[in-house]
Amino acid sequence: NAGVTQTPKFRVLKTGQSMTLLCAQDMNHEYMYWYRQDPGMGLRLIHYSVGEGTTAKGEVPDGYNVSRLKKQNFLLGLESAAPSQTSVYFCASSYVRVGEQYFGPGTRLTVT
Amino acid sequence: RKEVEQDPGPFNVPEGATVAFNCTYSNSASQSFFWYRQDCRKEPKLLMSVYSSGNEDGRFTAQLNRASQYISLLIRDSKLSDSATYLCVVIGGSGGGADGLTFGKGTHLIIQP
Repeated sequence: NAGVTQTPKFRVLKTGQSMTLLCAQDMNHEYMYWYRQDPGMGLRLIHYSVGEGTTAKGEVPDGYNVSRLKKQNFLLGLESAAPSQTSVYFCASSYVRVGEQYFGPGTRLTVT
Repeated sequence: RKEVEQDPGPFNVPEGATVAFNCTYSNSASQSFFWYRQDCRKEPKLLMSVYSSGNEDGRFTAQLNRASQYISLLIRDSKLSDSATYLCVVIGGSGGGADGLTFGKGTHLIIQP
């Protein structure tokens, strides 16, 4: 039982490049989330999904897109990376209670 | 006033001592509350839920004060391994869903030998 996994663990992008972060969970959770964590800013919700085929905007959605084609996967896309998107990205999932989330190990993204 | 506020610390506490810190929230309609811990360069992990009647799990006690709009976390007999950042989570709004979820910025705790 791997829990929540994230791919890749580290990535360096040049401004304007695109990439997709993959999150996978094997706990059959309905809800999945993408956060970014920056020094002094805490965890901020980017997008979330309440079930397969659904997505919704969080607090800081601009510059990101998401897809939840399969229940176990939640993808976060950056179409045109900017230095302001340098951050640590965490994926999380939960069964029903939104506050009881399981986090993945994070992806450290640097945009130069 | 910010939605969810925590004293960033650091709290430097000797091993074996008792330490407590609070998390204040601005939305009086907030429904659910949680504490997470996050070790350096690791992911947050759920520590405990905070119930209206309080919640105790071993050396950890969480309490909710709705009148003053804060939750608290008390750690007794602190261990070196308790050194971490403690994040509060408040879920506000009428639906109690993810759109009302806010993480505090965390309180950094350092247990000293």
